[in-house]
Amino acid sequence: QKEVEQNSGPLSVPEGAIASLNCTYSDRVSQSFFWYRQYSGKSPELIMSIYSNGDKEDGRFTAQLNKASQYVSLLIRDSQPSDSATYLCAVRNGGFKTIFGAGTRLFVKA
Amino acid sequence: ETGVTQSPTHLIKTRGQQVTLRCSSQSGHNTVSWYQQALGQGPQFIFQYYREEENGRGNFPPRFSGLQFPNYSSELNVNALELDDSALYLCASSLEPGTNEKLFFGSGTQLSVL
Repeated sequence: QKEVEQNSGPLSVPEGAIASLNCTYSDRVSQSFFWYRQYSGKSPELIMSIYSNGDKEDGRFTAQLNKASQYVSLLIRDSQPSDSATYLCAVRNGGFKTIFGAGTRLFVKA
Repeated sequence: ETGVTQSPTHLIKTRGQQVTLRCSSQSGHNTVSWYQQALGQGPQFIFQYYREEENGRGNFPPRFSGLQFPNYSSELNVNALELDDSALYLCASSLEPGTNEKLFFGSGTQLSVL
């Protein structure tokens, strides 16, 4: 079992729709959760962090965390073509490393 | 722009050679982590340096080694290159190691081993 699992996609949504990206993790003691966005040929950039159960909103982005189900999600409202990228879920358990999933490719069609 | 700089941007080596990649961390950050990202995969943790000491290591062989300097810049050295070492190597700096550590990535070094 992979430590952080994501559906590789591609996930295709029309412009203006809500994109929903999901992630599960295996280590129950994980404490911090992050979403990074990576455009093709570029490096990852942090877009959201969440540490406690529930929802956290930042502009068009909402991160959701359910520790009991070991599940993290990212919702992107009013999706734009510029949101087309690979979204990486990352988990930290209080140790020395951040573990990344393989990423979900998102395409937003104009 | 994160303020994290990596050099070189691209590198071509042959199997068996050695390579050194360099990273300058963002101002105020004392921690540097190195990741390897193969095509279509997520970044894989190689190791982390904090205040010039290795703070943790992933599942990479000893031919992957590193250094951190007093100005918190860092080097990644890979000896006896193998074809599977072809990947994007990412350096990330952070304020301090810890649970809520947020990583700020450089633009990466694309290494091709022929």
